[in-house]
Amino acid sequence: KNQVEQSPQSLIILEGKNCTLQCNYTVSPFSNLRWYKQDTGRGPVSLTIMTFSENTKSNGRYTATLDADTKQSSLHITASQLSDSASYICVVNTYNAGNMLTFGGGTRLMVKP
Amino acid sequence: DGGITQSPKYLFRKEGQNVTLSCEQNLNHDAMYWYRQDPGQGLRLIYYSQIVNDFQKGDIAEGYSVSREKKESFPLTVTSAQKNPTAFYLCASIRTGQYNEQFFGPGTRLTVL
Repeated sequence: KNQVEQSPQSLIILEGKNCTLQCNYTVSPFSNLRWYKQDTGRGPVSLTIMTFSENTKSNGRYTATLDADTKQSSLHITASQLSDSASYICVVNTYNAGNMLTFGGGTRLMVKP
Repeated sequence: DGGITQSPKYLFRKEGQNVTLSCEQNLNHDAMYWYRQDPGQGLRLIYYSQIVNDFQKGDIAEGYSVSREKKESFPLTVTSAQKNPTAFYLCASIRTGQYNEQFFGPGTRLTVL
């Protein structure tokens, strides 16, 4: 069964600190992996997308890594800001009919002043 | 502005009533999706449609119905048969290409009174 597991479930950090969120997946066949940011009560917004041949991708203070061999990904947030408080969702896309996505449960990040 | 719109943002329903959630996109995307999100859980697929006049059940289709009469529109009806309809509903569409990137609407929060 295709699964995406994220850790930790929730995280509290102080403003200005760095943090790393983890994502492990067992989705097959693998097409690409995305990280989304979802503010409370809003739709998810894409941060990064990586195929199996890309092992790192940055978007401002967000840097995602992908190890297709171990089926792990991480999202590193540098110099956190209060506006980074949100849920971060790891999503894996498979190569099959319907472009199916498997969603992780998300990591709820709270940045405190 | 191109994008996905959902309406209404908040919806209240009495038990036993059907209710229809709107989803419109002007991105010229072929595929559209409906997801349900419950607190602390990953998004779960309700229905998806890859082309006009065709749609497929997702993982949790029971108690829901959809139609796809136009490329731009993919309304979701939550019927009285859905036993636990209170949730956050997200509509999405896919831009086919290298990444098959999925774009999300702002969501509709449905509360059954």
